[in-house]
Amino acid sequence: QVQLQESGPGLVKPSQTLSLTCTVSGGSISSGGYYWSWIRQPPGKGLEWIGYIYYSGSTYYNPSLKSRVTISVDTSKNQFSLKLSSVTAADTAVYYCASGVGGGGWDVWGQGTTVTVSS
Amino acid sequence: QSALTQPASVSGSPGQSITISCTGTSSDVGSYNLVSWYQQHPGKAPKLMIYEVSKRPSGVSNRFSGSKSGNTASLTISGLQAEDEADYYCCSYAGSSTSWVFGGGTKLTVL
Repeated sequence: QVQLQESGPGLVKPSQTLSLTCTVSGGSISSGGYYWSWIRQPPGKGLEWIGYIYYSGSTYYNPSLKSRVTISVDTSKNQFSLKLSSVTAADTAVYYCASGVGGGGWDVWGQGTTVTVSS
Repeated sequence: QSALTQPASVSGSPGQSITISCTGTSSDVGSYNLVSWYQQHPGKAPKLMIYEVSKRPSGVSNRFSGSKSGNTASLTISGLQAEDEADYYCCSYAGSSTSWVFGGGTKLTVL
């Protein structure tokens, strides 16, 4: 059973770049058919899809965040990462990594990591 | 404002059935059978309950069912139990330029 674990700084200053990593265990990130995703949830609010990287390396991003987001994969470490540049207080949220197969929804989630943007 | 519209809250008594609606447009819910539903308890990660409109992942109770009519998808929970009290989110594919959109979430209270 695949498990996911997010890691990264819990506090980021405004205008800086938020960087998070998701470590995959119990399976290979190179496995065919999987979408490795980032989803966030601001305090007291709903879920927002950030983007994902397909096992082939293709990336897809939320248009509202596309200019600031980069998702990449490190197959040697079985990890995928999120970089969000020029952050503001509006980027404060719990960030989840998740995986799924095509249109089948995200069936595996990390526990989430809280990122606060503040000086 | 979320792309998909859900009621802010619904409630029901143990044993009853409730339905949560998720209204989108012809560009998302209405065009693709790629609607999923997630259950989220406070402080926990979301859990996939329904995918591709009406399919249940292994291990999810058959008390949970999904359907779609036009631009509106629905999640029905039958035989309500106290443990069903949680927030529920719908999600739909919205085409290659937009990809995936979520509803604003519905808080289910079991009375």
